[in-house]
This record gives sequence, C-alpha cells and structure tokens, in this order.
Amino acid sequence: DVKVTQSSRYLVKRTGEKVFLECVQDMDHENMFWYRQDPGLGLRLIYFSYDVKMKEKGDIPEGYSVSREKKERFSLILESASTNQTSMYLCASSLYGTTVDEKLFFGSGTQLSVL
Amino acid sequence: AQKITQTQPGMFVQEKEAVTLDCTYDTSDPSYGLFWYKQPSSGEMIFLIYQGSYDQQNATEGRYSLNFQKARKSANLVISASQLGDSAMYFCAMREGRAGSYQLTFGKGTKLSVIP
Repeated sequence: DVKVTQSSRYLVKRTGEKVFLECVQDMDHENMFWYRQDPGLGLRLIYFSYDVKMKEKGDIPEGYSVSREKKERFSLILESASTNQTSMYLCASSLYGTTVDEKLFFGSGTQLSVL
Repeated sequence: AQKITQTQPGMFVQEKEAVTLDCTYDTSDPSYGLFWYKQPSSGEMIFLIYQGSYDQQNATEGRYSLNFQKARKSANLVISASQLGDSAMYFCAMREGRAGSYQLTFGKGTKLSVIP
C-alpha cells in the first residue's frame, strides 16, 4: 500500500525558531509537494520538487525553503517561524506528473502552531 | 482569477439522500484533469474520483459520480445515498496539461455535514 508519512501530527513552536517538517514516501515517486491548508483558503502550494535536489516555488514560497537530498524525503523549512505560519501543512507525492490523470498521494498532515 | 471555484462553504444533507457539491474551473488548456478529494477530520486527503477533459462519459466510482459539463466548465460531485461517514471537507482540484504542470490546483473546499 502506498504511504506518505509526515513526521509529526501536531507541532508547537515559538516565534523565531527554525522549524523542520519532514515527509517521506515509500513509492519511489519522482515528485513531492508541500501544501499549506487554511480555513476558507483551501490548499495552497508552497514548493514542489520534481527530482532529487531540484525544487520549484509554488504560489506562496515566502518564508519557506525546502530540501530534497534523497528521492524519498522532502523537508519543509521555516527559517524563522512567525505566528502567521500557524497552519496545517500537507505533504504529497506523485509518480511522474507528466499526464493529467496522475493523482497526488497525501500524508496525514502536520498541524503547526507558532506561539 | 481563481482556477477552481467551490461556491458552497458548507452543505447539509439528510442521511440516505443524494447531494451535489459544486465545482467550476477555469483553463484555456484543451487537456486537463479534474479531481475530487475528501478530507475527514483525521486530516488525510483521500482521492475519490477523476475526470479527464477528453473523457466522453461522466466518471463514476461507487456512490460517487461526477457531473461533467465541459461547455459550462463545471465538474460537480454527486454523492448518492449519503452516509454519516461522508461528513468531511471536499476539495475539487485540477491539473492542466501544459508541459511542466506537475501540481494540482485546489478549490477552497466544501464542508459537508450528514444529518442522521
């Protein structure tokens, strides 16, 4: 069975802290994504990666960076967490992303609270 | 302009009744795919159904069907015989066919509540 695992379900951090959100997939997928979900705003793409060490900005990359050193792992980094980054973060993966019918597989999400 | 519009922030339906969740989209690409995902309170996004722009027939998956009206650019999700477990957030999403379009663009979601 396919699996996308996010390291934490709930996380509480303080303003100014450096925060790492980790995501691992076991499906040998090429593409990985970080979305942010806020009530009334839906899911918004932060960053995605289509290959190891490759990354592309999504719609809301400000305040975030990412790292993909290995194919199965995609990390989201908040260099200096701020209260407006309190949100649900969803990681997803897809095999190639070259056809329109390819769906995303999601992790369970990390609810981050920045105090 | 929004690419995916879900106009119903919240919906209520009686158990065992059918419900339609609205989704309209905006693209100039002739090739695109439309997806519906369900998100229960546990948080995980669950894929429900897919419709391709060139598909001649409306997609169906068990109790889920997609009412695809290409000229109107709408892709409404129909859930038949609602169950209490259908209470969740529902998201419509689209992938466009242009080269390099890896990601799905999501709507803002509709919260469905099933009443016993």
